[in-house]
Amino acid sequence: KQEVTQIPAALSVPEGENLVLNCSFTDSAIYNLQWFRQDPGKGLTSLLLIQSSQREQTSGRLNASLDKSSGRSTLYIAASQPGDSATYLCAVGRTNTGTASKLTFGTGTRLQVTL
Amino acid sequence: DTGVSQNPRHKITKRGQNVTFRCDPISEHNRLYWYRQTLGQGPEFLTYFQNEAQLEKSRLLSDRFSAERPKGSFSTLEIQRTEQGDSAMYLCASSLGWRDRVLIFGPGTRLTVL
Repeated sequence: KQEVTQIPAALSVPEGENLVLNCSFTDSAIYNLQWFRQDPGKGLTSLLLIQSSQREQTSGRLNASLDKSSGRSTLYIAASQPGDSATYLCAVGRTNTGTASKLTFGTGTRLQVTL
Repeated sequence: DTGVSQNPRHKITKRGQNVTFRCDPISEHNRLYWYRQTLGQGPEFLTYFQNEAQLEKSRLLSDRFSAERPKGSFSTLEIQRTEQGDSAMYLCASSLGWRDRVLIFGPGTRLTVL
């Protein structure tokens, strides 16, 4: 059974800092990995999708890397802003059996960016 | 299209009552997913549809839960004889196919069972 762990569970940083969120998974037979953002009481917003054959994806100030063999992914946020405050969730999709979009989620990292 | 919508956004019910939630996916998306999220946890997969066919159900989906997608468009999730342990956020997501596709999530329905 796939298990996804995110460390740290919570993080507080001053505005402008660069930061790294970590995600690890136990079964390396994944099809893809997605990072999501969730604001309190809201649904999820997809940030980045990395296919298993890829090493990283970038969108604006966000960069996600994937090391499938070691079961790890990181989300790097550059020049953090108060608006980045949210919970960040990592999710892995199973191998390409047609259910790659059935995701297993971690419990998230709650990020607070202070002024 | 404004994205995935879910109704109601909040539902408070008494234990033992039945509740039904609705999800309207993005119109061209053929895949629809239901997830459940409890406080402080990541979402857990419940079930998914490809068009009108329900292709997989999680063990979390007890016989009190039923989901339908009758015409391959909107979907409903019904919980019968609700229990306090059913209190959670119920999230719907949709995608076009599965390969290389990002899931688009709705805002969720928060259920509170008293």
